[in-house]
Amino acid sequence: DSGVTQTPKHLITATGQRVTLRCSPRSGDLSVYWYQQSLDQGLQFLIQYYNGEERAKGNILERFSAQQFPDLHSELNLSSLELGDSALYFCASSVDLGNYGYTFGSGTRLTVV
Amino acid sequence: GESVGLHLPTLSVQEGDNSIINCAYSNSASDYFIWYKQESGKGPQFIIDIRSNMDKRQGQRVTVLLNKTVKHLSLQIAATQPGDSAVYFCAEVTGTASKLTFGTGTRLQVTL
Repeated sequence: DSGVTQTPKHLITATGQRVTLRCSPRSGDLSVYWYQQSLDQGLQFLIQYYNGEERAKGNILERFSAQQFPDLHSELNLSSLELGDSALYFCASSVDLGNYGYTFGSGTRLTVV
Repeated sequence: GESVGLHLPTLSVQEGDNSIINCAYSNSASDYFIWYKQESGKGPQFIIDIRSNMDKRQGQRVTVLLNKTVKHLSLQIAATQPGDSAVYFCAEVTGTASKLTFGTGTRLQVTL
């Protein structure tokens, strides 16, 4: 157990739907990062939050959004889902802004049918 | 732009031999590098890291070498074991942009 908790582990949904993925960072970590891993793209950075504020954005689609709450857990919202959104979504956390290592959760496998 | 690439998508090694996994990066401003191991169905697991002011760092059975001149990173695994079978990723962090940029990964297969 890495200390980073992601729920749900698996999610199957239809095209056009909206889902929410949840991440609880490791205790004491203030930064949360979201990554998407698909077969043809590898691990792609989506977005980072630090202590509730957005700090960096990657190639995140406009259909996707995220937030970090006062208790530091984060949610990634994916809407108007397409087949191509099927992937593993990972959350990682770090103590600060990422200069001292990142710990990954076990991921949420999203399947869009 | 930033990019991290791996030379070999699959590496097959006999149990007990040493493994060397290579990684090239293109951003000379990158100052922090991390190697991750990812087993099937699991998230990336931290193996070892190195900062740009170092050339070499050793852990338990693993060594990371950094050659800034040619922008090359390698992970050496000594006495490779079946449990080392996984996909290995190098990742870089550049300056204040704290996001990790990952390479495409190398699959290590350990044969008996």
